[in-house]
Formats: sequence, structure tokens, C-alpha cells
Amino acid sequence: DIQMTQSPSSLSASVGDRVTITCRASQSMSSYLNWYQQKSGKAPKLLIYAASSLRIGVPSRFSGSGSGTDFTLTISGLQPEDFATYYCQQSFTTPTFGQGTKVEIK
Amino acid sequence: QVQLVQSGAEVKKPGASVKVSCQASGYTFTAYYIHWVRQAPGQGLEWMGWINPNSGESNFAQNLQGRVTLTRDTSTSTAYMELNRLTSDDTAVYFCLRVGYSGYDPQVGWYFDLWGRGTLVTVSS
Repeated sequence: DIQMTQSPSSLSASVGDRVTITCRASQSMSSYLNWYQQKSGKAPKLLIYAASSLRIGVPSRFSGSGSGTDFTLTISGLQPEDFATYYCQQSFTTPTFGQGTKVEIK
Repeated sequence: QVQLVQSGAEVKKPGASVKVSCQASGYTFTAYYIHWVRQAPGQGLEWMGWINPNSGESNFAQNLQGRVTLTRDTSTSTAYMELNRLTSDDTAVYFCLRVGYSGYDPQVGWYFDLWGRGTLVTVSS
């Protein structure tokens, strides 16, 4: 299985900040990378698929980039509703998820 | 309304089995693969397997081979996940997920645009 390593595991940020979360794969996997947001007690929601494609309805402050082994999720102008845990998921082989990045209020 | 509605919470004893249901509505059930993922308390997401609702073909994570069964009932648009020989390590919220497009595209792989709300399965003596 491809191992996905996210960093940081948690971060503190303020409303309006630019936040970057990275995800590194244990092997090269082109653009087979998706991002999800999970709020406490809820199911995850898809934000980005195929590394950089924004799901319809997701605010444009969310963006994704990267290919190969290194990927990034960026939130440009953090909003109060963005405080949550974010997961990457590879779709190159049998799906695996990163361990999550918790974004907390500073 | 496009949604996946899961069955309610379960409490099971070690060694028992559990069967979780996931009823789809608002779309053509047989057109989209269904996957299952679980999340232990305070932990990350673990992929369990998928089923093709059209053919009934399924595939599972290696570490669950022999303990998990995925089935579906096309007459009720319902997918089922059954897990046997439960241990405390199986205590988790179990989610059913829909793939974000019809069929399977190897150029894109699996991503999941629709999730059920989750079913808490607690294994305790």
C-alpha cells in the first residue's frame, strides 16, 4: 500500500490567514490525490480531486497542487467555518488516507 | 435528494458479527461504486473495500480478508457491510461512500463525493 504522510499534524491559525497543508506519498502517483474536510462528529466532505480540481460548490479559497509524491492543500483566507481536520487520500492504488491535519483557532 | 442513509448504532460482544446497511436515494444506485471506510475513535480513516452495485463484484483490504462481506440489494438500493469475529479493535464509525462518477476511470481513480453519516459500532464485553 502507498503510505501517505501529512504535515503538520495540527496547526493554529487566525481568521484570514493563509494555511498550507502538505501530503507526501511513499511512491510516485501522478495526480491521484484527493482532499477532504471533516468537522467533529460529521462525515468527511470532498474538497479537491485529482490533485487540483475543485469540487463544484467548494469555495475558491481552497486550492490543491502537486504531482508525483508531494501535494499541497492551500486555504487562502481562513474562514471560521474552515476550522476542521483535513485528510488527503491517494487513488493511485487501493485507497489510503493521510493521518489528518487539525486546523485550530489561534 | 441525493444521499446515503446508514443504519443505527450497534453494540456487539467480542466474537460476534455486525451488519451495517447503507440505502442510496436520489440517483441510480447501480451506476456508482460504493466503498466502505471506518474511523476508530480519535483516529484517521481506514479503507475497507468496495462493491460494484451493478455486478455485485467486491474487493477488500488485505487486513480484512476473510472477515468482511460486502453485498447489495438492487431492489431497495441498499448496500451492506458485514464484519465477523469482532474484537475491540473493530470499535469505530463505519461510513459508506459513493464514488464521484459513474463506473471506474483508471485515469482518475477513486474519489468520494457522497458519504453516509456513519454508523458507530462498539465492541465490548
